[in-house]
Amino acid sequence: AQKVTQAQTEISVVEKEDVTLDCVYETRDTTYYLFWYKQPPSGELVFLIRRNSFDEQNEISGRYSWNFQKSTSSFNFTITASQVVDSAVYFCALSDHINAGGTSYGKLTFGQGTILTVHP
Amino acid sequence: DAGVIQSPRHEVTEMGQEVTLRCKPISGHDYLFWYRQTMMRGLELLIYFNNNVPIDDSGMPEDRFSAKMPNASFSTLKIQPSEPRDSAVYFCASSYGGPTDTQYFGPGTRLTVL
Repeated sequence: AQKVTQAQTEISVVEKEDVTLDCVYETRDTTYYLFWYKQPPSGELVFLIRRNSFDEQNEISGRYSWNFQKSTSSFNFTITASQVVDSAVYFCALSDHINAGGTSYGKLTFGQGTILTVHP
Repeated sequence: DAGVIQSPRHEVTEMGQEVTLRCKPISGHDYLFWYRQTMMRGLELLIYFNNNVPIDDSGMPEDRFSAKMPNASFSTLKIQPSEPRDSAVYFCASSYGGPTDTQYFGPGTRLTVL
């Protein structure tokens, strides 16, 4: 069974600090997909990134960057120069992949989330 | 384009009552998912549909829960009878290509069962 572990339950930083959110996953599949979602205080889930298991290139999007290391089964997320608006719960998630008869089977498994608080 | 739409946003009901949650997926998305979020269990998948057909309902807690998708633009999640332990935020999500594709979430329905 697949599993996602976000060991950091809560992180507190001061604005402009860099912060890294850890994500470690377990799966037996060779093809899988990793995601990060943000849940701000308003409660909605906002998609941030999707990465497949064959693409180990790191990605940068503005102040956000992601480090995918298959060797350690980790998909860490870094926010550079954090801002108060970054305060949210961040979820890492994993989906396996089975395609049969034109239908995609699988399940998106979420970690428990990391609560990030950025203080002014 | 409108995102995933859920209604109601908040629902307060008494134990034993029937509750119906509604969802309209993003137009053109063939997959629709229902999730439940609680403090104890986090985010968990309840059921998902492909082209209006249920594919995996293994996450549905018990027979009191049922979900339908009568057409491509509407789905319901029904709880009958409701119990206090059903109190949670229920999210609907949709995607184009299935569980491995990006799922876009609705704003959620916060259900409180007294």
